[in-house]
Amino acid sequence: ETGVTQTPRHLVMGMTNKKSLKCEQHLGHNAMYWYKQSAKKPLELMFVYSLEERVENNSVPSRFSPECPNSSHLFLHLHTLQPEDSALYLCASSQEGARIYEQYFGPGTRLTVT
Amino acid sequence: AQSVAQPEDQVNVAEGNPLTVKCTYSVSGNPYLFWYVQYPNRGLQFLLKYITGDNLVKGSYGFEAEFNKSQTSFHLKKPSALVSDSALYFCAVSAGFSGGYQKVTFGTGTKLQVIP
Repeated sequence: ETGVTQTPRHLVMGMTNKKSLKCEQHLGHNAMYWYKQSAKKPLELMFVYSLEERVENNSVPSRFSPECPNSSHLFLHLHTLQPEDSALYLCASSQEGARIYEQYFGPGTRLTVT
Repeated sequence: AQSVAQPEDQVNVAEGNPLTVKCTYSVSGNPYLFWYVQYPNRGLQFLLKYITGDNLVKGSYGFEAEFNKSQTSFHLKKPSALVSDSALYFCAVSAGFSGGYQKVTFGTGTKLQVIP
């Protein structure tokens, strides 16, 4: 295990539902990320939090709303999603600073929008 | 803008044979390069990275990668493939810190199939 956990692992929701994805990192890192992974596409960076401050919002529709209450936890709140939002949502963390560090990923939440 | 190209959707190799997974990149300034592996139903797992120094980088599970600045490539290699190496491999590039964080761009992934 990488030290990054995500819940739930699988989620099926209707277009009118509201749900939240949770990510927790146990690595003492100061940056956390949300990515969207769709088949045959590069990973799409959605949001970045560095020192609990959002530093990137990569043109993501407002039906996705992130929250970072502290450096260990990251949420992605979902509402009125579309079928094309079905994908694997990955959380990652890293130690941002003077050096170049790799990212550590959670196992992902497989989201299906019906 | 930075980008990564992984020209092969899938690579098939016989167990015991050497394997190569190709990656080329485009970035302004010095490149920082990464390889990650993804097993089924799992997140991405870091394999190795090039920051500076020796062009041949060694990583986890016997993998290595060679940085070639003139060809803007960072191919992943292993001398002898194992069936357990079968997975999805991602190359990634970063130009360093910008806007308060390190922006990493990932390729589309190459599926490695090792045939027993």
